[in-house]
Amino acid sequence: DQQVKQNSPSLSVQEGRISILNCDYTNSMFDYFLWYKKYPAEGPTFLISISSIKDKNEDGRFTVFLNKSAKHLSLHIVPSQPGDSAVYFCAASAWGSQGNLIFGKGTKLSVKP
Amino acid sequence: KAGVTQTPRYLIKTRGQQVTLSCSPISGHRSVSWYQQTPGQGLQFLFEYFSETQRNKGNFPGRFSGRQFSNSRSEMNVSTLELGDSALYLCASSFGGYSNQPQHFGDGTRLSIL
Repeated sequence: DQQVKQNSPSLSVQEGRISILNCDYTNSMFDYFLWYKKYPAEGPTFLISISSIKDKNEDGRFTVFLNKSAKHLSLHIVPSQPGDSAVYFCAASAWGSQGNLIFGKGTKLSVKP
Repeated sequence: KAGVTQTPRYLIKTRGQQVTLSCSPISGHRSVSWYQQTPGQGLQFLFEYFSETQRNKGNFPGRFSGRQFSNSRSEMNVSTLELGDSALYLCASSFGGYSNQPQHFGDGTRLSIL
């Protein structure tokens, strides 16, 4: 059973608008959540993370929101740029298993000029 | 600052052979994790090494093994290769310990089994 789910395989957004990528999880032991971006033929690149003691974390154009009661997190990209076009992975880990990231299946974001 | 380096980038093997993949972590990082990425299963955790000890293990058969050296470099070995082992193998490093820190990934080794 998938512990981390990204229900949208793809998302298309116009340049300059907001991109919202969503992720749901089932394991209440997860306490650290991350977003990675991946281009073809490259490894995942770390974007932003959030600890379960927070509900929001910002880094430039990227903001991650965590709703623990709903077991849901989202990544907002504002404004979206064509260079943001990539596959985005949500990942989670539990205390004591920090080296073990559980990944979602990814969402392919296309930002159109 | 150099990133995570994985060698080789591409590898072609035949069924029944064995293979060793190498990973050099970011300088100062003591934790190395390995992942397998396939189109069907996505990114799946294989194992994690910290200070030369396996600290976590995923749900893979014993044909998949690894080790970590005193300089934190890590190797992963797959014996008796099967067609289903064709995948992108990714290595990630972090400082380790039990505080929350992101893992940083290398570009992977693409393994093809004929």
